[in-house]
Amino acid sequence: GAGVSQSPSNKVTEKGKDVELRCDPISGHTALYWYRQSLGQGLEFLIYFQGNSAPDKSGLPSDRFSAERTGGSVSTLTIQRTQQEDSAVYLCASSLLPGRRSYEQYFGPGTRLTVT
Amino acid sequence: DAKTTQPPSMDCAEGRAANLPCNHSTISGNEYVYWYRQIHSQGPQYIIHGLKNNETNEMASLIITEDRKSSTLILPHATLRDTAVYYCIVSLRNAGNMLTFGGGTRLMVKP
Repeated sequence: GAGVSQSPSNKVTEKGKDVELRCDPISGHTALYWYRQSLGQGLEFLIYFQGNSAPDKSGLPSDRFSAERTGGSVSTLTIQRTQQEDSAVYLCASSLLPGRRSYEQYFGPGTRLTVT
Repeated sequence: DAKTTQPPSMDCAEGRAANLPCNHSTISGNEYVYWYRQIHSQGPQYIIHGLKNNETNEMASLIITEDRKSSTLILPHATLRDTAVYYCIVSLRNAGNMLTFGGGTRLMVKP
């Protein structure tokens, strides 16, 4: 079946502009996660959704970052007034039901964001 | 979540077993050991997980020491396509299952 998809695959934007990154999780997966990976670094957790709610926003690096999920499916990560340090690969993952026998998080291919 | 320590890099000859170690000496009793890998320019891929028993699936085997302070991921017959960064992660199996990725081990499989 279809995996996690993300769009766009690449985004180049000017400093100060807003960007929206989209994630389509695997159908039926209730949990959705956003991570980011800066060049040569490990993955950094950003936010987690269970259904449409986000009980854990602790990973968002600043108030310029926000995320929403509608209909328990598609999620959008928005970065306002982008800065050069926001340049990274933004990865989305989904899993079936946290706390159940669903140990795997399935990752999308990521969106490479470059802020010039 | 407990912190993990992995060697930054390892080499392995194609066709040989790759044994990737991980130390997690501060692991708590209800934390699981997960292994993921990330092939260049792709998102991470789940490999295997375990609590205290050794586990095996079609991709790999996971050996966890009796005191659970370390584990080894075994790729029995490494291929060139197994070249990737391998992450050992210790996490509670609760709502969210947030994964904390460290530096991982960069495995280079050589012909």
